[in-house]
Amino acid sequence: DSGVTQTPKHLITATGQRVTLRCSPRSGDLSVYWYQQSLDQGLQFLIQYYNGEERAKGNILERFSAQQFPDLHSELNLSSLELGDSALYFCASSPFGRPTSTDTQYFGPGTRLTVL
Amino acid sequence: GENVEQHPSTLSVQEGDSAVIKCTYSDSASNYFPWYKQELGKRPQLIIDIRSNVGEKKDQRIAVTLNKTAKHFSLHITETQPEDSAVYFCAASGSGGGADGLTFGKGTHLIIQP
Repeated sequence: DSGVTQTPKHLITATGQRVTLRCSPRSGDLSVYWYQQSLDQGLQFLIQYYNGEERAKGNILERFSAQQFPDLHSELNLSSLELGDSALYFCASSPFGRPTSTDTQYFGPGTRLTVL
Repeated sequence: GENVEQHPSTLSVQEGDSAVIKCTYSDSASNYFPWYKQELGKRPQLIIDIRSNVGEKKDQRIAVTLNKTAKHFSLHITETQPEDSAVYFCAASGSGGGADGLTFGKGTHLIIQP
């Protein structure tokens, strides 16, 4: 158990809908990262938040957004869902995530999203 | 942006033998190289990592080597056991701009034959 929690474990929804995935980082960690894992794209970095502020963006679609709250938990919002958005979504956390940091990232158990 | 290539995609070894997985990266500014093990449907678990000021790191049966000049790094698993069977991912991060997101290779499916 990494100490990172994610809810829900599974999510089944229809095309065009909107969903919210939730992540709680390890106690004391300030940085949260979101990753998408699919068979064709592999593991891809989406976005990073550090202490409530967006720090870095990866391959995140405009239909997707995220935020980190004062208690440091984070939510990933996926809207106008398409079949191709079906994937495992992982959250990871690290202590700092400062620009010069190379912190170890610990992954949560993931949320499996199925879009029908 | 960073690009990480990983080889081979599948590796089958006899139990007790050694396994080697190799990765190359493109961004010379990258300075952190972790390796994750992932079992089917589970989260990636960090097994070892190396930073650019170190050339080699060992942890029991697992070792990682880094060649910054050639921009490649490798995972070595000795005395393989059935529980080593999983998908292994290399990754790189720390390149300029303050982005700490990991760029992953495509993964290596390691199969340990009894």
